[in-house]
Amino acid sequence: QVQLVESGGGLVKPGGSLRLSCAASGFSFIDQYMIWMRQAPGKGLEWVSFINGGGGATYYADPVKGRFTISRDNAENSLYLQMNSLRADDTAVYYCATLHYYSSRDWGQGTLVTVSS
Amino acid sequence: QSALTQPPSASGSPGQSVTISCTGTSSDVGGYNYVSWYQQYSDKAPKLMIYEVTKRPSGVPDRFSGSKSGNTASLTVSGLQAEDEADYYCSSFAGSGNLVFGGGTKLTVL
Repeated sequence: QVQLVESGGGLVKPGGSLRLSCAASGFSFIDQYMIWMRQAPGKGLEWVSFINGGGGATYYADPVKGRFTISRDNAENSLYLQMNSLRADDTAVYYCATLHYYSSRDWGQGTLVTVSS
Repeated sequence: QSALTQPPSASGSPGQSVTISCTGTSSDVGGYNYVSWYQQYSDKAPKLMIYEVTKRPSGVPDRFSGSKSGNTASLTVSGLQAEDEADYYCSSFAGSGNLVFGGGTKLTVL
């Protein structure tokens, strides 16, 4: 069955960087758009970035544009999110998920990113 | 992109029906048939309940249904059960590679 496992979260100081990874299995990864979502503590869901199957088309939410970069390695069935210039309001649980016609059927368990001095 | 508007809370007794609204604009909900609904239990990953306004993924009970009228989408839960108590979020495609989410609705089963 579909499995998505995020890793790479942790505590980072404001202005710092972090790289999240998502290992995918159980489906044809190269054929699937993928998305990163996040949820700040006690808050609602927010999309962060998504990428097409080939990796050539990427999209970003306004709050992260210019600071975050999404990428994928289809040979390794992995999705990445490089996060730079992190701010306190980036503190959230980050989820990777599949994206099919703008809905997400399969989600990982999430990884917590805390930005604090 | 402004968030979609959901009521912060909704409630109903077991067996009753409850409807949660999700109001956007002609640039998102009203402009595309790409509205989704997610159920989320505390500290768990969200679960897709409805996609493309009215479609249910396999495994989702048919007590859950979706609809749309103009710029407002709705999720109806019929025959409420205790296990339906959770947070519910709507989302919509908003054009030009944009998505938008609602703020979430906490559903309480009385």
